[in-house]
Amino acid sequence: RKEVEQDPGPFNVPEGATVAFNCTYSNSASQSFFWYRQDCRKEPKLLMSVYSSGNEDGRFTAQLNRASQYISLLIRDSKLSDSATYLCVVGAASGTNAGKSTFGDGTTLTVKP
Amino acid sequence: DGGITQSPKYLFRKEGQNVTLSCEQNLNHDAMYWYRQDPGQGLRLIYYSQIVNDFQKGDIAEGYSVSREKKESFPLTVTSAQKNPTAFYLCASSQRLYNEQFFGPGTRLTVL
Repeated sequence: RKEVEQDPGPFNVPEGATVAFNCTYSNSASQSFFWYRQDCRKEPKLLMSVYSSGNEDGRFTAQLNRASQYISLLIRDSKLSDSATYLCVVGAASGTNAGKSTFGDGTTLTVKP
Repeated sequence: DGGITQSPKYLFRKEGQNVTLSCEQNLNHDAMYWYRQDPGQGLRLIYYSQIVNDFQKGDIAEGYSVSREKKESFPLTVTSAQKNPTAFYLCASSQRLYNEQFFGPGTRLTVL
């Protein structure tokens, strides 16, 4: 089992739709969580950090469920420009990956007119 | 402007040659990282450094070497021992390990 797992998709949605991605992690000692966005042939860019209380940035909402060991990203009112690959990242303070952040393989989103 | 720079953007080398990829940051970050990404795949960690003069192997360190003589710089050498070096190489930095990472624009290496 991978340490960080994402549904690779692709997710194909119409403009204006709401779409949600989940990411599960295996190390219960994980303590930092992020969502990144990567456009084709570009570097990943930080989209948002994920806090225990959940956080929102405009159309984007991120949540953390420690009990079930997953994080989620909700995108409301999808835009064409949201088309990208979304990567979840989990950082661990202890365990086999102590001190490192592990990237998921990403979920591809295509928003269509 | 603060950020991470990588050079060159595209690099072509003949098989059997060593090549060094540059990564510089002026964010005053302690930690730096090198990743490899193959087409349609996720990021794989090659090496990381928590502090100057210290670095650790990642998941796919074989055939690569690094140095961290200065806080701002973390060059990666792809040696002839790396069996399949053609890939997209990404450098990143963070304030501390497992903080949010910021990436450079990447170097596309093609070995002919």
